[in-house]
Amino acid sequence: GQQVMQIPQYQHVQEGEDFTTYCNSSTTLSNIQWYKQRPGGHPVFLIQLVKSGEVKKQKRLTFQFGEAKKNSSLHITATQTTDVGTYFCVNQAGTALIFGKGTTLSVSS
Amino acid sequence: DAGVIQSPRHEVTEMGQEVTLRCKPISGHNSLFWYRQTMMRGLELLIYFNNNVPIDDSGMPEDRFSAKMPNASFSTLKIQPSEPRDSAVYFCASSSSPVSGNTIYFGEGSWLTVV
Repeated sequence: GQQVMQIPQYQHVQEGEDFTTYCNSSTTLSNIQWYKQRPGGHPVFLIQLVKSGEVKKQKRLTFQFGEAKKNSSLHITATQTTDVGTYFCVNQAGTALIFGKGTTLSVSS
Repeated sequence: DAGVIQSPRHEVTEMGQEVTLRCKPISGHNSLFWYRQTMMRGLELLIYFNNNVPIDDSGMPEDRFSAKMPNASFSTLKIQPSEPRDSAVYFCASSSSPVSGNTIYFGEGSWLTVV
């Protein structure tokens, strides 16, 4: 399975600023999932994108799947301290999920 | 409903000792995954089972690592002998039938330190 590349690896923002992480693949993805891992915690499923050009929102989080299904993004509007953690975009390879390195977000108040 | 249950939560052991990590997947899930997380390597898939059968163990680092799933409700990951570089958080995860788009549910992890 192909591991997707995620940028940036780290991001620090002031509370209230927006944040975006990008996920890229050299091959077409059947679907992409996003997970969040809080410091000291375990990855938790956020959302799955399947359709080309799909956009989904969860409160301040907006997820997009590219038209070519080779990239995806997660945008957080007006970050809060509760948003800290590592965000993973995840590629499905067969029946297993291959995690990238993720983007670690820190937020200062 | 209980989530994925792992034990022990924390273990400190001496180099050369055998380590056994245990996992109880979510009832009804028939896919089980073992992941290892370190700062250097991130979250690595070690092995996964479907209906208790190992499907892909290509991520298992070396022969010192072995995993079993004797039944649908229990799996073990064993390291023998353990080495300091095995120190990591080991996550067990499970999911329902392996059709496209299945969500994986993680346990809280076993934090292993080998000294």
